[in-house]
Amino acid sequence: SAVISQKPSRDICQRGTSLTIQCQVDSQVTMMFWYRQQPGQSLTLIATANQGSEATYESGFVIDKFPISRPNLTFSTLTVSNMSPEDSSIYLCSGKDGITHGYTFGSGTRLTVV
Amino acid sequence: DAKTTQPNSMESNEEEPVHLPCNHSTISGTDYIHWYRQLPSQGPEYVIHGLTSNVNNRMASLAIAEDRKSSTLILHRATLRDAAVYYCILRRETSGSRLTFGEGTQLTVNP
Repeated sequence: SAVISQKPSRDICQRGTSLTIQCQVDSQVTMMFWYRQQPGQSLTLIATANQGSEATYESGFVIDKFPISRPNLTFSTLTVSNMSPEDSSIYLCSGKDGITHGYTFGSGTRLTVV
Repeated sequence: DAKTTQPNSMESNEEEPVHLPCNHSTISGTDYIHWYRQLPSQGPEYVIHGLTSNVNNRMASLAIAEDRKSSTLILHRATLRDAAVYYCILRRETSGSRLTFGEGTQLTVNP
C-alpha cells in the first residue's frame, strides 16, 4: 500500500503567522484528503485536495483559512493561515490507493499556536 | 453519509479473540463498510473493508450481518499492540470517496 510522508511532524507557531504542511505519497493515489484532529477526539475532514484545481471544502472550512494545493498526483500541501490558538491541533493527510482502494494516512503534524 | 454507532470502549485480554461491534442501520446498498484503527500518536491505519460478504485478511476478519445493518470486526488473538481506537466507517461511492470518522471504540488489551 501507499506510504505517505508528512512534514513537519510538529511545530510551535506565533499567532497571526501561517504554516504550510506537506504530504508526499510514494505511489499514485487517486484522491487526497486533509483532516484535523483535536487531542482525544476523532478526525474531522477539512477538504478533498483535487489535482490541478481548487480543493473541495467541508462545511465550516474555507479556502482563505486553509488553502490547499495538489499540483500532481503524489503531492499536496495544506496551509493554516493567520493562526490563532484555536488552530492548535493535529493535521493529517490521507490518500486513497488506486489499487487496493484502501486509505493511507500520514503520521500527522502536531501544531501548537502560542 | 450514513451514521455508525460503536461502543465508546472495550477491554480484552491478551491472546483472546476480540469482537468489536458496529451498528449502521441507515446503510444504503452502495455503502462500503471500512474499519480503521489509530494507535497512539499515529495516523489511522487501514484494517479491512467489505460490502456484503464476510472478509478475512492477515489483520482481522469482518463479519457483516445479512441485512447489513451491523458488522463486527474480529481480532482473532489480541496482542498488546492491538490497543487502539477502532473506527467503523461507511463510505458511499457518491460522496466523493471521502471517509467520515465517528468517535470509534477505544480498545484496551490487558496482559
